[in-house]
Amino acid sequence: QLVLTQSSSASASLGASVKLTCNLSSGHTNYAIAWHQHQPGKGPRFLMKLNSDGSHIKGDGIPDRFSGSSSGAERYLSISSLQSEDEADYYCQTWGTSIRRVFGGGTRLTVL
Amino acid sequence: EGQLLESGGGLVQPGGSLRLSCEASGFTFIDYAMRWVRQAPGKGLEWVSAISSSGRSTYYEDSVKGRFTISRDNSKSKVFLQMDSLRAEDTAIYYCAKGSSYDILTGYIDSWGQGTLVTVSS
Repeated sequence: QLVLTQSSSASASLGASVKLTCNLSSGHTNYAIAWHQHQPGKGPRFLMKLNSDGSHIKGDGIPDRFSGSSSGAERYLSISSLQSEDEADYYCQTWGTSIRRVFGGGTRLTVL
Repeated sequence: EGQLLESGGGLVQPGGSLRLSCEASGFTFIDYAMRWVRQAPGKGLEWVSAISSSGRSTYYEDSVKGRFTISRDNSKSKVFLQMDSLRAEDTAIYYCAKGSSYDILTGYIDSWGQGTLVTVSS
C-alpha cells in the first residue's frame, strides 16, 4: 500500500532556496503526486501536479519560484527566493483505488 | 480551477448533527468529483469523503462511515456533507475540494475552499 512520508519540519533563510521531499513507499516509484501549500488561517492552495518523470502542471497563479522534480521514489518541491509568505505547511497528496491515506503528514516550513 | 465557498459549520453537542454546504463557481461542476477534507487542531489534512461527478459513487473514511453522508446538487453546483452522531474527535476545519477528474479515487485536488469550522463540544 502506498504511503507518503514527509519530514515534519524544514527551515531556510529569507531569500534562500529550500527543497522539500515527499517519499513514496517501496514499489510505487511511478506514482504522480500533487503538492499543496497551507498557510496559517487560510484554505490550502494547490501548487502543482508532479509526475514521476519530473514534469509538472502548476496551479493558476503559482509563481515561477515554485518548481517540482522527481527521482525514483522521491518527489521534490523546490522554492527559490524565499519570502515570508512562503512560511506554511506543505502537503503531498496521491490518489488511486488502493490508497486509503492520501495525504503525507505535511512539512512545516519556517522562513528565518 | 474554480472557487469554492463552504458554509454550515458551528458549535454542536456530541451526538448532534450539522449539514455543511459548498457552493462552486468558475468551472463546469457536473464534470468533476468533489471532496471534503478536514484538519483537526494540531493535525494534518485528512480526506473525509468524496463523491463522483454524477453522484453515483461515494467514498467515506472509516471513522465517519455510517455517520456522514455526502451528496451533490449538480443543478445548483453544490455539494453537501450531512454529519450525524457527531463526536468530539470530529472537531476540525472542514474544507471543500475539487477533484481534477470525474472519478472519486483518481485525480488530484486542484482547488480548495476557505473552510468552515465544526466544533463538537458540550
